[in-house]
Amino acid sequence: QLQLQESGPGLVKPSETLSLTCTVSGGSLSSSGYYWAWIRQPPGQGLEWIGTFNYGGNTYYNPSLKRRVTISVDTSKNHFSLNLRSVSAGDTATYYCARRARSTGSYAFWGQGTLVTVSS
Amino acid sequence: QTVVTQEPSLTVSPGGTVTLTCASSTGAVTSDYSPNWFQQKPGQAPRALIYATTKRHSWTPARFSGSLLGGKAALTLSGVQPEDEAEYYCLLYFDILQVFGGGTKLTVL
Repeated sequence: QLQLQESGPGLVKPSETLSLTCTVSGGSLSSSGYYWAWIRQPPGQGLEWIGTFNYGGNTYYNPSLKRRVTISVDTSKNHFSLNLRSVSAGDTATYYCARRARSTGSYAFWGQGTLVTVSS
Repeated sequence: QTVVTQEPSLTVSPGGTVTLTCASSTGAVTSDYSPNWFQQKPGQAPRALIYATTKRHSWTPARFSGSLLGGKAALTLSGVQPEDEAEYYCLLYFDILQVFGGGTKLTVL
């Protein structure tokens, strides 16, 4: 059974870089036919798509975050990462990683999420 | 900026039927936007219910159905159960851009 697990600091200072990792088990990032994504949810608010990549090397970012975001992948460790630069309080959120199948277009698998607070 | 709009809140009685909708600021929602629906309960990650407008996942109860209705994507719950009380989000695909709706808080009362 596919499992995704987010990890990283729970507290980041303003203007610094938020870095998170999503470790995948029960499946491979090298498998074709899937997209892997970061999605976030500020406390008490809705979901926001951050970005998506696939094994073919295509990466897509939300235009509202594109200047500050980088998603990278390490297939040897079967994990992918999120870097969000120059954070502010508005970036405080629960960050989820998720997998979408190309065939369905559905984010059927999600990590449990990790809360990141931006505060000095 | 593309905005996807849902009803902020709806209330339904147990056993009743309710329809949640998902509208796009760009115009009518069609199957080309591949509407998805998610259910989220407090403290949990979202759970996928519907994809490609109408298709249920293997774990999605049959009382949940997706459709297009009056230029919007729609999620209908028939025979609502108390455990259906949750936040529901739609997701639309605009080419490479993906936009979630603001969510509908469904109360079963």
